[in-house]
Amino acid sequence: DSGVTQTPKHLITATGQRVTLRCSPRSGDLSVYWYQQSLDQGLQFLIHYYNGEERAKGNILERFSAQQFPDLHSELNLSSLELGDSALYFCASSVPGGIPNEQFFGPGTRLTVL
Amino acid sequence: GQNIDQPTEMTATEGAIVQINCTYQTSGFNGLFWYQQHAGEAPTFLSYNVLDGLEEKGRFSSFLSRSKGYSYLLLKELQMKDSASYLCARFTDKLIFGTGTRLQVFP
Repeated sequence: DSGVTQTPKHLITATGQRVTLRCSPRSGDLSVYWYQQSLDQGLQFLIHYYNGEERAKGNILERFSAQQFPDLHSELNLSSLELGDSALYFCASSVPGGIPNEQFFGPGTRLTVL
Repeated sequence: GQNIDQPTEMTATEGAIVQINCTYQTSGFNGLFWYQQHAGEAPTFLSYNVLDGLEEKGRFSSFLSRSKGYSYLLLKELQMKDSASYLCARFTDKLIFGTGTRLQVFP
């Protein structure tokens, strides 16, 4: 158990819908990272937040957005869902001052778009 | 996987040694990570190299050559539970992962 929590564990929805994935980082960690992992793409970095501010963006679609709240939990919003958005979504958090960017991953949310 | 190359699959026998290679684009490089991921589970941190040389951690070791853009993960005394995917990731201002090497350990 990494100490990072994600909800829900599984999510099944239809094309065109919108969903929100939630992540709580480890106690004391200020950074939250979001990743998408699909079978043919490997683990793709989406976005990084540090203490409420966006720090880096990867290959995140315009239909996706994220935010980090004052209590440091983060949400990833996925809208106008397409079949290709079906994937495992992981969040990770990292400790300031430790190994640069050693990240601790949550258990993931498996999203299925039908 | 964004200029990171790893073999797709490898097989080995219980008790043996296996080396998983990783080559990466050197621009903007700040460090090289290895993660282990069992199917359907979260990746877990194995090792981190920022300087050239070998880092040893029990049965696992990782090597880095910055000038060659090359790293390897060495797993000794293989156990069945080592069957997993091994992800090489380079750190710039973010972690960029390769597509991973799926290792199967046979008895």
